[in-house]
Amino acid sequence: NAGVTQTPKFQVLKTGQSMTLQCAQDMNHEYMSWYRQDPGMGLRLIHYSVGAGITDQGEVPNGYNVSRSTTEDFPLRLLSAAPSQTSVYFCASSSTGGSQPQHFGDGTRLSIL
Amino acid sequence: AQSVTQPDIHITVSEGASLELRCNYSYGATPYLFWYVQSPGQGLQLLLKYFSGDTLVQGIKGFEAEFKRSQSSFNLRKPSVHWSDAAEYFCAVNNAGNMLTFGGGTRLMVKP
Repeated sequence: NAGVTQTPKFQVLKTGQSMTLQCAQDMNHEYMSWYRQDPGMGLRLIHYSVGAGITDQGEVPNGYNVSRSTTEDFPLRLLSAAPSQTSVYFCASSSTGGSQPQHFGDGTRLSIL
Repeated sequence: AQSVTQPDIHITVSEGASLELRCNYSYGATPYLFWYVQSPGQGLQLLLKYFSGDTLVQGIKGFEAEFKRSQSSFNLRKPSVHWSDAAEYFCAVNNAGNMLTFGGGTRLMVKP
């Protein structure tokens, strides 16, 4: 079982560069989301999607863009990377409903120089 | 708005000792509550969840948690800690729409 797959695992960017973090799930989950993890702050929600074609902003959406063209994929785009976006990024998926646990990928460690 | 507080940033316990990690939440209705564990370099793994019924819930790896509505708490416990339990633990609350709010995490270290 692949579960939630994130690529790449590590990435170093220069300020101003753009890149896309990939996320794919094979569990046919409707709900997908992106979090960033920073020391002492837990995980904070960036963007989420409740189904193909539907996305919405979370707590910290500025500087990030998402789209959901298929159920399986939910890429996160950094349009112009800034040092403040240095973080570990996690993608998660779940069935719809507040009681459903979210399944997390292994994360992407991103450094912006 | 919902929020979660984990008052202890770091906790060190001896192997074999009991463990309690604290979690307090703020949410208007009956919450959906979760505990996740993160080993170094890994994603988050679900330990247990509460959404209704018995206020004492059992999870994987010998962990349990108790929901106390009067105290707005959902503390995680384990009777005897193993060295492999060293990790970071996150408490989270969910609204009906899947949006998880996490606490800041508690890093557990286990002394031999």
